[in-house]
Amino acid sequence: GAVVSQHPSRVICKSGTSVKIECRSLDFQATTMFWYRQFPKKSLMLMATSNEGSKATYEQGVEKDKFLINHASLTLSTLTVTSAHPEDSSFYICSARGLADNEQFFGPGTRLTVL
Amino acid sequence: EDKVVQSPLSLVVHEGDTVTLNCSYEVTNFRSLLWYKQEKKAPTFLFMLTSSGIEKKSGRLSSILDKKELFSILNITATQTGDSAVYLCAVSSGNTPLVFGKGTRLSVIA
Repeated sequence: GAVVSQHPSRVICKSGTSVKIECRSLDFQATTMFWYRQFPKKSLMLMATSNEGSKATYEQGVEKDKFLINHASLTLSTLTVTSAHPEDSSFYICSARGLADNEQFFGPGTRLTVL
Repeated sequence: EDKVVQSPLSLVVHEGDTVTLNCSYEVTNFRSLLWYKQEKKAPTFLFMLTSSGIEKKSGRLSSILDKKELFSILNITATQTGDSAVYLCAVSSGNTPLVFGKGTRLSVIA
Protein backbone atom coordinates (compact mmCIF):
# COMPACT_ATOMS: atom_id res chain seq x y z
CA GLY A 1 0.00 0.00 0.00
CA ALA A 2 0.88 3.65 -0.27
CA VAL A 3 2.99 5.31 2.41
CA VAL A 4 1.92 8.23 4.54
CA SER A 5 4.32 9.72 7.06
CA GLN A 6 3.70 11.95 10.04
CA HIS A 7 6.12 14.07 11.96
CA PRO A 8 6.73 14.23 14.83
CA SER A 9 5.64 10.85 16.13
CA ARG A 10 5.53 12.15 19.67
CA VAL A 11 5.56 15.63 21.15
CA ILE A 12 5.39 16.93 24.69
CA CYS A 13 4.79 20.64 25.15
CA LYS A 14 3.83 23.18 27.76
CA SER A 15 0.34 24.58 28.02
CA GLY A 16 -0.10 27.66 25.84
CA THR A 17 2.37 26.71 23.15
CA SER A 18 1.53 25.81 19.57
CA VAL A 19 2.41 22.51 17.97
CA LYS A 20 2.64 21.74 14.27
CA ILE A 21 2.15 18.23 12.92
CA GLU A 22 3.09 17.37 9.35
CA CYS A 23 1.49 14.72 7.19
CA ARG A 24 3.10 13.67 3.93
CA SER A 25 2.08 11.23 1.24
CA LEU A 26 5.38 9.76 0.12
CA ASP A 27 4.64 7.90 -3.06
CA PHE A 28 1.35 9.29 -4.32
CA GLN A 29 -0.46 12.58 -4.70
CA ALA A 30 -3.13 13.10 -2.09
CA THR A 31 -5.98 15.24 -3.33
CA THR A 32 -7.68 14.96 0.03
CA MET A 33 -6.24 14.56 3.51
CA PHE A 34 -8.15 13.89 6.68
CA TRP A 35 -7.22 14.64 10.27
CA TYR A 36 -8.48 12.47 13.11
CA ARG A 37 -7.98 12.37 16.81
CA GLN A 38 -8.32 9.34 18.97
CA PHE A 39 -8.53 8.96 22.73
CA PRO A 40 -7.39 5.73 24.39
CA LYS A 41 -9.60 2.78 23.51
CA LYS A 42 -12.00 5.04 21.64
CA SER A 43 -12.96 5.29 17.99
CA LEU A 44 -11.30 7.57 15.49
CA MET A 45 -12.94 10.96 15.48
CA LEU A 46 -12.77 12.93 12.25
CA MET A 47 -11.71 16.50 12.87
CA ALA A 48 -11.47 17.97 9.39
CA THR A 49 -11.11 17.27 5.70
CA SER A 50 -8.64 19.24 3.63
CA ASN A 51 -8.35 19.49 -0.10
CA GLU A 52 -5.22 20.80 -1.72
CA GLY A 53 -5.39 24.52 -2.31
CA SER A 54 -8.66 25.15 -0.50
CA LYS A 55 -9.87 25.73 3.03
CA ALA A 56 -10.41 22.75 5.27
CA THR A 57 -13.89 21.57 6.16
CA TYR A 58 -14.21 21.11 9.90
CA GLU A 59 -16.54 18.69 11.64
CA GLN A 60 -19.10 20.02 14.05
CA GLY A 61 -17.60 20.91 17.40
CA VAL A 62 -14.03 21.27 16.13
CA GLU A 63 -12.67 24.80 16.54
CA LYS A 64 -11.08 25.89 13.29
CA ASP A 65 -9.16 28.70 14.97
CA LYS A 66 -7.62 26.24 17.38
CA PHE A 67 -6.81 23.50 14.91
CA LEU A 68 -5.32 25.20 11.87
CA ILE A 69 -5.02 23.04 8.79
CA ASN A 70 -2.99 23.87 5.73
CA HIS A 71 -2.91 21.64 2.66
CA ALA A 72 -0.28 23.47 0.69
CA SER A 73 0.57 20.79 -1.85
CA LEU A 74 -0.59 17.42 -3.10
CA THR A 75 1.83 15.69 -0.74
CA LEU A 76 1.73 17.80 2.42
CA SER A 77 -0.85 18.82 4.96
CA THR A 78 -0.15 20.35 8.35
CA LEU A 79 -2.22 20.55 11.51
CA THR A 80 -1.28 23.24 14.02
CA VAL A 81 -2.72 22.99 17.50
CA THR A 82 -2.66 26.57 18.73
CA SER A 83 -2.39 27.51 22.41
CA ALA A 84 -2.47 23.87 23.39
CA HIS A 85 -4.02 22.84 26.70
CA PRO A 86 -3.88 19.54 28.58
CA GLU A 87 -7.30 18.54 27.22
CA ASP A 88 -5.79 18.65 23.71
CA SER A 89 -3.55 15.73 24.64
CA SER A 90 -4.48 12.95 22.28
CA PHE A 91 -3.35 10.78 19.39
CA TYR A 92 -3.63 12.72 16.13
CA ILE A 93 -3.73 10.72 12.92
CA CYS A 94 -3.80 11.91 9.35
CA SER A 95 -4.89 9.94 6.34
CA ALA A 96 -4.54 10.61 2.67
CA ARG A 97 -6.67 9.71 -0.28
CA GLY A 98 -5.17 9.56 -3.72
CA LEU A 99 -6.44 10.43 -7.14
CA ALA A 100 -8.09 7.02 -7.47
CA ASP A 101 -10.45 8.24 -4.75
CA ASN A 102 -11.16 4.92 -3.14
CA GLU A 103 -8.20 3.83 -1.08
CA GLN A 104 -7.25 5.80 1.98
CA PHE A 105 -4.03 5.31 3.90
CA PHE A 106 -3.19 6.40 7.41
CA GLY A 107 -0.07 7.99 8.77
CA PRO A 108 1.48 6.43 11.88
CA GLY A 109 0.00 9.08 14.16
CA THR A 110 1.36 11.73 16.50
CA ARG A 111 0.96 11.44 20.23
CA LEU A 112 0.59 14.90 21.75
CA THR A 113 1.00 15.43 25.47
CA VAL A 114 0.36 18.92 26.82
CA LEU A 115 1.65 19.51 30.32
CA GLU B 1 -27.45 9.10 7.70
CA ASP B 2 -24.68 6.73 6.61
CA LYS B 3 -23.99 3.97 9.07
CA VAL B 4 -21.50 1.12 9.52
CA VAL B 5 -22.08 -1.52 12.18
CA GLN B 6 -19.48 -4.06 13.19
CA SER B 7 -19.99 -7.18 15.22
CA PRO B 8 -18.99 -8.51 17.58
CA LEU B 9 -17.57 -5.51 19.43
CA SER B 10 -15.02 -7.74 21.10
CA LEU B 11 -13.88 -11.30 20.81
CA VAL B 12 -11.45 -13.51 22.69
CA VAL B 13 -10.13 -16.65 21.01
CA HIS B 14 -7.29 -19.11 21.43
CA GLU B 15 -4.36 -19.36 19.08
CA GLY B 16 -5.21 -21.53 16.11
CA ASP B 17 -8.89 -20.65 16.09
CA THR B 18 -10.61 -19.19 13.04
CA VAL B 19 -12.57 -15.98 13.48
CA THR B 20 -15.11 -14.16 11.36
CA LEU B 21 -15.68 -10.45 11.84
CA ASN B 22 -18.81 -8.84 10.46
CA CYS B 23 -19.51 -5.45 8.98
CA SER B 24 -22.89 -4.24 7.75
CA TYR B 25 -23.53 -0.85 6.24
CA GLU B 26 -26.14 1.60 5.04
CA VAL B 27 -24.71 4.32 2.86
CA THR B 28 -25.84 6.33 -0.12
CA ASN B 29 -23.61 6.17 -3.19
CA PHE B 30 -21.51 3.22 -2.03
CA ARG B 31 -18.12 3.03 -3.72
CA SER B 32 -15.97 0.73 -1.63
CA LEU B 33 -15.56 -0.98 1.72
CA LEU B 34 -12.23 -0.99 3.48
CA TRP B 35 -10.82 -3.06 6.32
CA TYR B 36 -8.06 -1.81 8.61
CA LYS B 37 -6.13 -3.31 11.50
CA GLN B 38 -5.24 -1.05 14.41
CA GLU B 39 -2.80 -2.11 17.05
CA LYS B 40 -1.16 0.48 19.28
CA LYS B 41 -0.64 3.01 16.52
CA ALA B 42 -2.63 4.21 13.53
CA PRO B 43 -4.74 1.89 11.37
CA THR B 44 -2.99 -0.13 8.70
CA PHE B 45 -4.76 -0.93 5.48
CA LEU B 46 -5.84 -4.53 4.90
CA PHE B 47 -8.32 -4.72 2.04
CA MET B 48 -10.49 -2.65 -0.22
CA LEU B 49 -13.58 -4.30 -1.69
CA THR B 50 -15.68 -2.87 -4.45
CA SER B 51 -17.34 -5.86 -6.13
CA SER B 52 -19.64 -8.48 -4.67
CA GLY B 53 -18.52 -12.05 -4.34
CA ILE B 54 -14.83 -11.58 -5.09
CA GLU B 55 -12.72 -12.76 -2.21
CA LYS B 56 -9.59 -10.82 -1.38
CA LYS B 57 -6.89 -12.79 0.36
CA SER B 58 -3.64 -11.96 2.11
CA GLY B 59 -2.00 -14.81 3.97
CA ARG B 60 -4.36 -15.99 6.68
CA LEU B 61 -6.72 -13.07 6.18
CA SER B 62 -9.50 -12.95 3.64
CA SER B 63 -12.51 -10.78 3.04
CA ILE B 64 -15.57 -10.74 0.86
CA LEU B 65 -18.33 -8.26 0.13
CA ASP B 66 -22.04 -8.80 -0.48
CA LYS B 67 -23.49 -5.65 -2.00
CA LYS B 68 -26.98 -7.07 -2.16
CA GLU B 69 -27.14 -7.79 1.56
CA LEU B 70 -24.89 -4.81 2.39
CA PHE B 71 -22.28 -6.58 4.45
CA SER B 72 -18.75 -7.81 4.46
CA ILE B 73 -16.85 -10.38 6.50
CA LEU B 74 -13.21 -10.55 7.45
CA ASN B 75 -11.89 -14.05 8.15
CA ILE B 76 -8.71 -14.85 9.99
CA THR B 77 -7.63 -18.49 10.02
CA ALA B 78 -5.12 -20.11 12.39
CA THR B 79 -5.06 -17.00 14.56
CA GLN B 80 -1.87 -15.95 16.29
CA THR B 81 -1.28 -13.63 19.23
CA GLY B 82 0.01 -11.05 16.75
CA ASP B 83 -3.47 -10.83 15.26
CA SER B 84 -4.70 -9.20 18.46
CA ALA B 85 -5.89 -5.75 17.43
CA VAL B 86 -8.94 -3.65 16.71
CA TYR B 87 -10.26 -4.35 13.24
CA LEU B 88 -12.01 -1.41 11.62
CA CYS B 89 -14.46 -1.50 8.77
CA ALA B 90 -15.10 1.68 6.79
CA VAL B 91 -17.21 2.58 3.79
CA SER B 92 -16.38 5.11 1.12
CA SER B 93 -18.97 7.14 -0.76
CA GLY B 94 -16.42 8.83 -2.97
CA ASN B 95 -15.71 12.44 -2.13
CA THR B 96 -16.92 12.31 1.46
CA PRO B 97 -14.89 11.09 4.44
CA LEU B 98 -14.88 7.40 5.25
CA VAL B 99 -17.63 6.24 7.57
CA PHE B 100 -16.14 3.95 10.20
CA GLY B 101 -17.68 1.28 12.34
CA LYS B 102 -16.78 1.16 16.02
CA GLY B 103 -14.39 -1.71 15.42
CA THR B 104 -14.04 -5.26 16.70
CA ARG B 105 -11.45 -5.77 19.41
CA LEU B 106 -9.88 -9.19 18.86
CA SER B 107 -7.77 -10.77 21.56
CA VAL B 108 -5.90 -13.97 20.73
CA ILE B 109 -4.57 -15.81 23.76
CA ALA B 110 -1.86 -18.44 23.70
